[in-house]
Amino acid sequence: GAGVSQSPSNKVTEKGKDVELRCDPISGHTALYWYRQSLGQGLEFLIYFQGNSAPDKSGLPSDRFSAERTGGSVSTLTIQRTQQEDSAVYLCASSLDSLGYSPLHFGNGTRLTVT
Amino acid sequence: AQKVTQAQTEISVVEKEDVTLDCVYETRDTTYYLFWYKQPPSGELVFLIRRNSFDEQNEISGRYSWNFQKSTSSFNFTITASQVVDSAVYFCALKGQGGKLIFGQGTELSVKP
Repeated sequence: GAGVSQSPSNKVTEKGKDVELRCDPISGHTALYWYRQSLGQGLEFLIYFQGNSAPDKSGLPSDRFSAERTGGSVSTLTIQRTQQEDSAVYLCASSLDSLGYSPLHFGNGTRLTVT
Repeated sequence: AQKVTQAQTEISVVEKEDVTLDCVYETRDTTYYLFWYKQPPSGELVFLIRRNSFDEQNEISGRYSWNFQKSTSSFNFTITASQVVDSAVYFCALKGQGGKLIFGQGTELSVKP
């Protein structure tokens, strides 16, 4: 079956512009996560969604970052007024559930470059 | 608060050597889950293993083995007879009762022929 799909795979934007990153999780997966990986760094948790529950936004670095998940499926991560420090690979992952044993399945990421 | 520490930033070995990647975690949850992921140069994260806090049995899968010790809050990963294809960044991760999966900083393993 299809894995987690992210688009675009690469995005170059000018400082100050808004960007939207899209994630299509694996069908049937109720949990969806966003992470950020800067060059040579680990994975920084941003946000996760579990079913109809309120999302855990505790990892969002500033109010310029927001995410939504429509219909319990597709998710969009929006970064407003991008800054150069936002340059990173943004990874989306999904799992059958977030509270149990299910491993996360990752997409290939969106590489964001802010010039 | 939850935390995962992978103290080894980079490890370099010669092919066929055994290598152990360390992972130490912190959590106040009584039920939690531990994971290892591999990120090869291609960039895609690959799930390797999961463990729950009630199962301290060691696990072996081919050349890979994992040692989970609650007494020391460690979940170490050993590769026996390493191969060049094992070269990658390896991440240890912790999922607590809140559901959030927290990753360590990763260990970059380089296996030279």
